[in-house]
Amino acid sequence: EIVMTQSPATLSGSPGERATLSCRASQNIRNSLAWYQQKPGQAPRLLIYAASTRATGVPARFSGSGSGTEFTLTISSLQSEDFAVYYCQQSTNWPRTFGQGTKLEIK
Amino acid sequence: QVHLQESGPGLVKPSETLSLTCTVSGGSISRDYWSWIRQSPEKGLEWIGYVYYTGSTTYNPSLKSRVTISVDTAKNHFSLNLTSVTAADTAVYYCARHFMAAFDYWGQGIHVTVSS
Repeated sequence: EIVMTQSPATLSGSPGERATLSCRASQNIRNSLAWYQQKPGQAPRLLIYAASTRATGVPARFSGSGSGTEFTLTISSLQSEDFAVYYCQQSTNWPRTFGQGTKLEIK
Repeated sequence: QVHLQESGPGLVKPSETLSLTCTVSGGSISRDYWSWIRQSPEKGLEWIGYVYYTGSTTYNPSLKSRVTISVDTAKNHFSLNLTSVTAADTAVYYCARHFMAAFDYWGQGIHVTVSS
């Protein structure tokens, strides 16, 4: 199965700052990558699919990029509601696999 | 707006079968793929398997010998059976809809503990 590795495990930021989260796949997944946001006690929320397409209702400050094995989720200007855990997920092969998550916390 | 709701027991004894149902409202189950995903501190998010409305399924090889996912289009729900559970199966179980090879709608999750 494809292993997804996210870095860093924890990222500290302040409101208004830019945040960059990384995800690496153990093999080429082309652009078959999704990003999710999860807040405590809630289910994951789809943010990005096909590496760079925002899901319905997702603010424009969220953007995704990358292809092959290296991917990035960028939040251009952090808002208070953005502090959460973020997961990447590959959608090339079965079984679908997720990264271990990056916790974005307030500095 | 599609809404998914998991239901089932929150406590299952070791060696018994975990059975959950996901009821879909606000849309028909007869047009999409539907998955079960679980989350635990030890394993993180783990995809269990999916069912198509025709009944076609695909499972995670790590669980394949113990998993059955089925669909009931008349009731607009799909179900998960996981046999011979152990403490390692303790997790929050989510149902979710497939969208563009991702998962766009999720249930709120149901916490299942395996314990005697």
